[in-house]
Amino acid sequence: ETGVTQTPRHLVMGMTNKKSLKCEQHLGHNAMYWYKQSAKKPLELMFVYNFKEQTENNSVPSRFSPECPNSSHLFLHLHTLQPEDSALYLCASSQEGQYNEQFFGPGTRLTVL
Amino acid sequence: GQQLNQSPQSMFIQEGEDVSMNCTSSSIFNTWLWYKQDPGEGPVLLIALYKAGELTSNGRLTAQFGITRKDSFLNISASIPSDVGIYFCAGRDTGTYKYIFGTGTRLKVLA
Repeated sequence: ETGVTQTPRHLVMGMTNKKSLKCEQHLGHNAMYWYKQSAKKPLELMFVYNFKEQTENNSVPSRFSPECPNSSHLFLHLHTLQPEDSALYLCASSQEGQYNEQFFGPGTRLTVL
Repeated sequence: GQQLNQSPQSMFIQEGEDVSMNCTSSSIFNTWLWYKQDPGEGPVLLIALYKAGELTSNGRLTAQFGITRKDSFLNISASIPSDVGIYFCAGRDTGTYKYIFGTGTRLKVLA
């Protein structure tokens, strides 16, 4: 248990569906992240939020839409995804400062049909 | 773009053996992190390194921040079956402060 939870753990959706991934951190951190993990590729940073403000959008397609209502919660809204978007989506949090290790949630395994 | 080369890509070892893996970068980092990921789970932080030359242990795990600040290694002593998993390094870029992740070392331990 790392203090970062993600729901759902598994999601199967069609290309026309709309779904949302949820992340919650119980560590009192002020930064949250979305990463995409595909087979045999390094973790790809998608979005960064610091103090609820988006500070990074790593050229992510607009079919992925993040939302950070407060410093403990992070959402990733999904719509009209493509099969190549199938991957493990990981949420992480950190306390920005000198020591800023990132702690990851268990991930959501997404399959797009 | 920046790249982290992590090696080896995979290892098959006998239980009780020691393991060594490393990451090298084309640029300087100010932090190195080592993670382990079990199947179906997210990466779990094992060791964090903040200074060049720093050597840190966590039980049977030992990691070092290379003196050039472009590399790091992780050693596991006396491996056991539960050491199986994928080990990732991550380096924090001194300019962007973003973490760059390696492609992982897949470790399998034969009993």
